[in-house]
Amino acid sequence: EDKVVQSPLSLVVHEGDTVTLNCSYEVTNFRSLLWYKQEKKAPTFLFMLTSSGIEKKSGRLSSILDKKELFSILNITATQTGDSAVYLCAVIKAAGNKLTFGGGTRVLVKP
Amino acid sequence: SAVISQKPSRDICQRGTSLTIQCQVDSQVTMMFWYRQQPGQSLTLIATANQGSEATYESGFVIDKFPISRPNLTFSTLTVSNMSPEDSSIYLCSVEEASGGQFFGPGTRLTVL
Repeated sequence: EDKVVQSPLSLVVHEGDTVTLNCSYEVTNFRSLLWYKQEKKAPTFLFMLTSSGIEKKSGRLSSILDKKELFSILNITATQTGDSAVYLCAVIKAAGNKLTFGGGTRVLVKP
Repeated sequence: SAVISQKPSRDICQRGTSLTIQCQVDSQVTMMFWYRQQPGQSLTLIATANQGSEATYESGFVIDKFPISRPNLTFSTLTVSNMSPEDSSIYLCSVEEASGGQFFGPGTRLTVL
């Protein structure tokens, strides 16, 4: 059975801190891993990672995939209160287009 | 990325009734999906909405409970039938773009009393 596990479940940091979120997966026929930010209802797309070792960066956020060890990390530097959200990772298999989600990491950034 | 809208944004319904949620995309997309997020849970795929044919349902979801229409490449509906309080969730449609990424609509928050 496909499995996506995120850690930690939640964390509390102060503005300016750096956070690292983890996502490990066990899926057959892996195609890509996606990261989303969910503040209210809709997950907002952050990154899609397909190749190992290539860092994707957008402002203060960055992410990298390790296909050998089957995990990805999402880094947020110089955190702001607006970064408070649930961060979700999901994987897509090569056959089909279904997203299998992890349980999410809830991040709270305090002023 | 495509602009996706959903209606209604939220609703409060009585048990035993049905609600139809609409998903509209501003461009033609091949793949459209419907997800459910129960309170405190992550997202679970309900079904893939196939244009011109019956939707493909995931294990645990059936057509009688969640009928789906996909009349064209920009529109789909999901109906939640004979609702019970356990159906209280956020319902989200998503589309897959040419890049392979999936993007979500704004969601419908459903409360069943």
